[in-house]
Amino acid sequence: TQLLEQSPQFLSIQEGENLTVYCNSSSVFSSLQWYRQEPGEGPVLLVTVVTGGEVKKLKRLTFQFGDARKDSSLHITAAQPGDTGLYLCAGAPSWGKLQFGAGTQVVVTP
Amino acid sequence: DSGVTQTPKHLITATGQRVTLRCSPRSGDLSVYWYQQSLDQGLQFLIQYYNGEERAKGNILERFSAQQFPDLHSELNLSSLELGDSALYFCASSVGTMGTEAFFGQGTRLTVV
Repeated sequence: TQLLEQSPQFLSIQEGENLTVYCNSSSVFSSLQWYRQEPGEGPVLLVTVVTGGEVKKLKRLTFQFGDARKDSSLHITAAQPGDTGLYLCAGAPSWGKLQFGAGTQVVVTP
Repeated sequence: DSGVTQTPKHLITATGQRVTLRCSPRSGDLSVYWYQQSLDQGLQFLIQYYNGEERAKGNILERFSAQQFPDLHSELNLSSLELGDSALYFCASSVGTMGTEAFFGQGTRLTVV
């Protein structure tokens, strides 16, 4: 079982649509990170959220950390084909073990 | 470019063999993490080293071992290879140890035939 559950597993949308990806856990995290991974490449860090209730914006991407620091969401506004990729959330509830969710594969078609 | 270098990029070897994967962390990073990624398992944490010492262990098989050298580069040794060991192996590095932001290399794609 995954410590971090991501949903949905797969999302296919048209360019210009909005989408939201969720990351949930029963554990409390001091921080959560979001990464994007493209085929054959390593994950690339997008953002770290630290404070419960925190909202961070990165251009068209909005990241939210739940008040209880057990969940997070990633919202993309007006998605573009360049947003296609595997989105991974990660957190470390215990010392040093940065754990990853299984990821949400996002496909944005023109 | 994340600043993390992994070699080789691709490796094809036969069952029963042993291979060594190498990782050079970003300049200034003391932690090195190893992850295995296969299609059906996602990113699985294997092991973490901090400044030369093992700090955390995940689902690493006994046939696998790792070490971090004084110059902070790390090697992951995989022995008695099986078909199921075919996967992408990623190294990541970070400044600290408490699950701080990790920067990933481009990975080594291992194919066991």
